[in-house]
Amino acid sequence: RKEVEQDPGPFNVPEGATVAFNCTYSNSASQSFFWYRQDCRKEPKLLMSVYSSGNEDGRFTAQLNRASQYISLLIRDSKLSDSATYLCVVDSWGKLQFGAGTQVVVTP
Amino acid sequence: EADIYQTPRYLVIGTGKKITLECSQTMGHDKMYWYQQDPGMELHLIHYSYGVNSTEKGDLSSESTVSRIRTEHFPLTLESARPSHTSQYLCASSEYRRGTYNEQFFGPGTRLTVL
Repeated sequence: RKEVEQDPGPFNVPEGATVAFNCTYSNSASQSFFWYRQDCRKEPKLLMSVYSSGNEDGRFTAQLNRASQYISLLIRDSKLSDSATYLCVVDSWGKLQFGAGTQVVVTP
Repeated sequence: EADIYQTPRYLVIGTGKKITLECSQTMGHDKMYWYQQDPGMELHLIHYSYGVNSTEKGDLSSESTVSRIRTEHFPLTLESARPSHTSQYLCASSEYRRGTYNEQFFGPGTRLTVL
């Protein structure tokens, strides 16, 4: 079983709509959680860290559910530029474990 | 923008050649990493370093080797390239803060093709 699992998608989202997706992790001792964004054939870049109480950054909202061991990302008012692969990243025993990513495609 | 650089960005080379992929960062980060990523697939950690003279193998077995003689420099070497080494290689760095290694900053990657 992989340490970090994500639905690969693609999630096809009309422009302006809301999309949400989850990621599950296996190590209950994990302390740090992140969402990264990766554009096609580019390097991953940090989108946001995920805090225990949940946090928001503009149109993006991240939530952490420790009891069920998952984190979520919600994108409101989707823009065409939000089309990318979103990587769930979990700090597991001091090493970052990357999920395979969830592809989001925002259509006009 | 992260101050982490990789050269070359693209490399096409014949089987059996020795190659070195360069990675440098100017952020003074102590920890550095090499990942391998095939198109549409997840990142696999192949090497990492906690600091100068420290190198560790990652989760994915790799025939490559690394060195860390200077904090800012973490080159990856393939002694004899093979077509199976064709992939994208991403270098990253992070610093230790508040008891954990936080955000990793990635370089732009080297896209390697071995013919």
